[in-house]
Amino acid sequence: EAEVAQSPRYKITEKSQAVAFWCDPISGHATLYWYRQILGQGPELLVQFQDESVVDDSQLPKDRFSAERLKGVDSTLKIQPAELGDSAMYLCASRRDREDGYTFGSGTRLTVV
Amino acid sequence: AQKVTQAQTEISVVEKEDVTLDCVYETRDTTYYLFWYKQPPSGELVFLIRRNSFDEQNEISGRYSWNFQKSTSSFNFTITASQVVDSAVYFCALSEAGTGNQFYFGTGTSLTVIP
Repeated sequence: EAEVAQSPRYKITEKSQAVAFWCDPISGHATLYWYRQILGQGPELLVQFQDESVVDDSQLPKDRFSAERLKGVDSTLKIQPAELGDSAMYLCASRRDREDGYTFGSGTRLTVV
Repeated sequence: AQKVTQAQTEISVVEKEDVTLDCVYETRDTTYYLFWYKQPPSGELVFLIRRNSFDEQNEISGRYSWNFQKSTSSFNFTITASQVVDSAVYFCALSEAGTGNQFYFGTGTSLTVIP
């Protein structure tokens, strides 16, 4: 069964350091999403890509977060500098078209110390 | 305003009991999709079901069933004869055609099935 691949699975970083997460969606899925899930809450959208273009990044804290999907396939989410409040699960998801459900990756659990 | 409300934060049931997880949504779109996801302790979100706004038929899949009622804007999820492996956080989500099909998640219901 096709999967959305994410790495690393866990990341511990010190405050003010840079951190990056990687996502490889299911082949052929044009739409890719990054979500952040704080413990005890539901996932919240950070950024949505359609192919290589950003469709929605209104919830992305652009002073410290950046996301790219240069070739319209895999994607990288970066935080620089990391803050304590960034500790969360970062989930990547992809879908083929709007009638599909999302397929989520296993996520990257970030702890900022 | 919260588009998806899951009023039950935590539920505990004894194994083999039936349990219903409530989900109420809010949208002005006529075309939308509703989903349920399961998040076990390992953290990944597992897709359970998708329902579009034009299909109000209830669905049963094994021990799982879903009751979609547009009149009350609800999409409730029932687990029959619960098992310990059902213990997880369950999320209801809404996707609206008018907002680029972004997903809006509820805050989740944590289900604990006691053996």
